[in-house]
Amino acid sequence: KQEVTQIPAALSVPEGENLVLNCSFTDSAIYNLQWFRQDPGKGLTSLLLIQSSQREQTSGRLNASLDKSSGRSTLYIAASQPGDSATYLCAARPSGNTGKLIFGQGTTLQVKP
Amino acid sequence: NAGVTQTPKFQVLKTGQSMTLQCAQDMNHEYMSWYRQDPGMGLRLIHYSVGAGITDQGEVPNGYNVSRSTTEDFPLRLLSAAPSQTSVYFCASSPGLAQQETQYFGPGTRLLVL
Repeated sequence: KQEVTQIPAALSVPEGENLVLNCSFTDSAIYNLQWFRQDPGKGLTSLLLIQSSQREQTSGRLNASLDKSSGRSTLYIAASQPGDSATYLCAARPSGNTGKLIFGQGTTLQVKP
Repeated sequence: NAGVTQTPKFQVLKTGQSMTLQCAQDMNHEYMSWYRQDPGMGLRLIHYSVGAGITDQGEVPNGYNVSRSTTEDFPLRLLSAAPSQTSVYFCASSPGLAQQETQYFGPGTRLLVL
């Protein structure tokens, strides 16, 4: 059974710092992996999707990597800003036709001015 | 495009009452799904649909029904609400199930069952 873990559960950094959020999964047979952002009381916003054959994806200050052999994905945020404060969720999609996403518990990020 | 919309935003129910959570998307997406989000449990799949007229159960389907009569709409019905169904419910959609297709989530419905 696929399990997704995100450590740490919470992170506080000063503005301008580069940071890495970690996501690990137990079954390497994933179809893709998505990173989402969730603001308090809001829905999920998709940030990046990495297909199983890809190693990384970039969007602006965000870079996500995928290493299936080690069961890890990282989300790198460059030059963090207070507006980056949110909960970041990773979700692994197993192979198959359900479209089911297996979510981690999330990392809550606070960027202090 | 409005994207994925959900109504209501917040609802209070008494145990045993029934209600329907609405979900609609205007992106002509074939795939739609419902998740619930609970503290310490993360998001879990309730039901999903790969197209109009086709639905199937996810991880936690008990107590919920769905139907998909049109491509746009995917309502979630609570037949007899229980306190254990207090949660935040999210609807999601994607064009299909190809590897590169992102799933888009709605703003959520917060449900409190007393």
